[in-house]
Amino acid sequence: GAGVSQSPRYKVAKRGQDVALRCDPISGHVSLFWYQQALGQGPEFLTYFQNEAQLDKSGLPSDRFFAERPEGSVSTLKIQRTQQEDSAVYLCASSLGWSESSYEQYFGPGTRLTVT
Amino acid sequence: KQEVTQIPAALSVPEGENLVLNCSFTDSAIYNLQWFRQDPGKGLTSLLLIQSSQREQTSGRLNASLDKSSGRSTLYIAASQPGDSATYLCAVRPEFSSGSARQLTFGSGTQLTVLP
Repeated sequence: GAGVSQSPRYKVAKRGQDVALRCDPISGHVSLFWYQQALGQGPEFLTYFQNEAQLDKSGLPSDRFFAERPEGSVSTLKIQRTQQEDSAVYLCASSLGWSESSYEQYFGPGTRLTVT
Repeated sequence: KQEVTQIPAALSVPEGENLVLNCSFTDSAIYNLQWFRQDPGKGLTSLLLIQSSQREQTSGRLNASLDKSSGRSTLYIAASQPGDSATYLCAVRPEFSSGSARQLTFGSGTQLTVLP
């Protein structure tokens, strides 16, 4: 595709529900990142994949958050038992590789999650 | 831990003014610094990327400077227009090394309003 796409663009969940957010990176991009952006704040790192390997999940705020990229392409961020503090925009970014020459990240439009 | 601060948090100017947005970071071991634009409900659009070895980058009416040793960057917007109204975010990437983090660390942004 032409860019990074994310779905759904908007999601409203009742507290306690599970949600799944999808990211389609640019075709051929090896690296994939998830960020969380609270209202009025900058994005904060959640997790990073290189192909299907999750190399860094240090930013995941709790064990209710889980991300996967089983075939090294599409990624899903899952949030179990959603809480109001999970309300945020979730941004996905991909980059061609992980080396100095292929590092620039391209961002998707984000999924706005509202937990009521 | 890297911290990025942006001042001011919000700025309102009349059309035609030149303006400066500020970004500071605590750890000077960066690989590059990037300025993004974010429109309401949209993802991030990259404006300028400055490598750590560079002092400035220019694109049209935008000029970004970097003083790595002092941990500062500025984004200069000349002859501002109402279409420049958006949130401007700066982000830094750490220096590359084996096993190092690759995610961006963002500031909280400056919300710019250019009045007609």
